[in-house]
Amino acid sequence: AQSVAQPEDQVNVAEGNPLTVKCTYSVSGNPYLFWYVQYPNRGLQFLLKYITGDNLVKGSYGFEAEFNKSQTSFHLKKPSALVSDSALYFCAVRPDSSYKLIFGSGTRLLVRP
Amino acid sequence: NAGVMQNPRHLVRRRGQEARLRCSPMKGHSHVYWYRQLPEEGLKFMVYLQKENIIDESGMPKERFSAEFPKEGPSILRIQQVVRGDSAAYFCASSPSDSGIGDTQYFGPGTRLTVL
Repeated sequence: AQSVAQPEDQVNVAEGNPLTVKCTYSVSGNPYLFWYVQYPNRGLQFLLKYITGDNLVKGSYGFEAEFNKSQTSFHLKKPSALVSDSALYFCAVRPDSSYKLIFGSGTRLLVRP
Repeated sequence: NAGVMQNPRHLVRRRGQEARLRCSPMKGHSHVYWYRQLPEEGLKFMVYLQKENIIDESGMPKERFSAEFPKEGPSILRIQQVVRGDSAAYFCASSPSDSGIGDTQYFGPGTRLTVL
């Protein structure tokens, strides 16, 4: 079965420190990979995506993600966290034969001042 | 350019009533997707529609749920005879008219349905 795993329910970092939110997937073929962020009582905002090409993808608000095909991972990173980055982050995968997004269960990021 | 619009934002229904959720895609988008988010879970795909066509409804429950996207007007997700288990946030997303598989889906703010 196709699935996306976000192994950490919550990630805690201090402001100014680097952050990583992990994502691994189990999808056949060459999927397309996405990160979204959700603030309380809001919809999902698109952060970045990997389709093809350079394994390091840069997105909104200083976030980036690294695609690793051998490890089937797409970890989200930011060099210096801000308190305002605190939110719920979702990794999503779109199989290359489908239009539907398969979401992970989400990781809550808490950045403390 | 307005984003994806959904209304109502909050909807309360009693068991057995009908719920109608509306979604207006971004301007220039004619592909609409509906997802459901149960508490403390990720989003689950329900249905993918283009104007006047249901393309993929593999995530829709077989009974009580239906979706449409008419030539004019918003997309509608309709839940008949709601039950408490239908309580969730329902999100709509849209993508451009010339979508390729890799195109981004942009999400609306969601409708939070509560069934009493």
